Amino acid sequence: SQQGEEDPQALSIQEGENATMNCSYKTSINNLQWYRQNSGRGLVHLILIRSNEREKHSGRLRVTLDTSKKSSSLLITASRAADTASYFCATVGNTGNQFYFGTGTSLTVIP
Amino acid sequence: DTGVSQDPRHKITKRGQNVTFRCDPISEHNRLYWYRQTLGQGPEFLTYFQNEAQLEKSRLLSDRFSAERPKGSFSTLEIQRTEQGDSAMYLCASSLEQGQQYFGPGTRLTVT
Repeated sequence: SQQGEEDPQALSIQEGENATMNCSYKTSINNLQWYRQNSGRGLVHLILIRSNEREKHSGRLRVTLDTSKKSSSLLITASRAADTASYFCATVGNTGNQFYFGTGTSLTVIP
Repeated sequence: DTGVSQDPRHKITKRGQNVTFRCDPISEHNRLYWYRQTLGQGPEFLTYFQNEAQLEKSRLLSDRFSAERPKGSFSTLEIQRTEQGDSAMYLCASSLEQGQQYFGPGTRLTVT
């Protein structure tokens, strides 16, 4: 089974609103990464947060990591229609040899 | 375009046939990964290489699947005696060590 589980599975918001999606995982990690995938396209890396970091920002993205709860969240502020995509978290295990993607959150931003 | 290319982009084959996919990673990346993705699911890890060495294989990778990365450059993924359950998008990615992975566009396999 896959390591990560995203919540919610689907999210629909109005343009300009913030979108928050969560990821929970099961085992110790080296780092956690968030990726975006447009329908029928390849995955694009958004942000990486290491296990010793608690928060990271990149443009309109904010990622938090709580290793005690084995969870992470991705916040997209001031959403745009172009943000419509599926978002996946991916965990890299401590040995660096385990790579697991979650089931994804499908985000729809309504113009 | 991430710099990772995959060939072919689409492959239709009959059950029982063998297929081979190719991935060309970003040249300076030492790690290369193969994933499989089905509709509505996240990518499932299959295997990865550090340079030419295959360091990890998922239990999803049955003995009908084999991957190579000769000389630590491009990689091939071969599926022998394809089954309808093998129909999926096969994704390749490359990275420097455990960092950001750069994904190719994928090869969509349809087994009829």
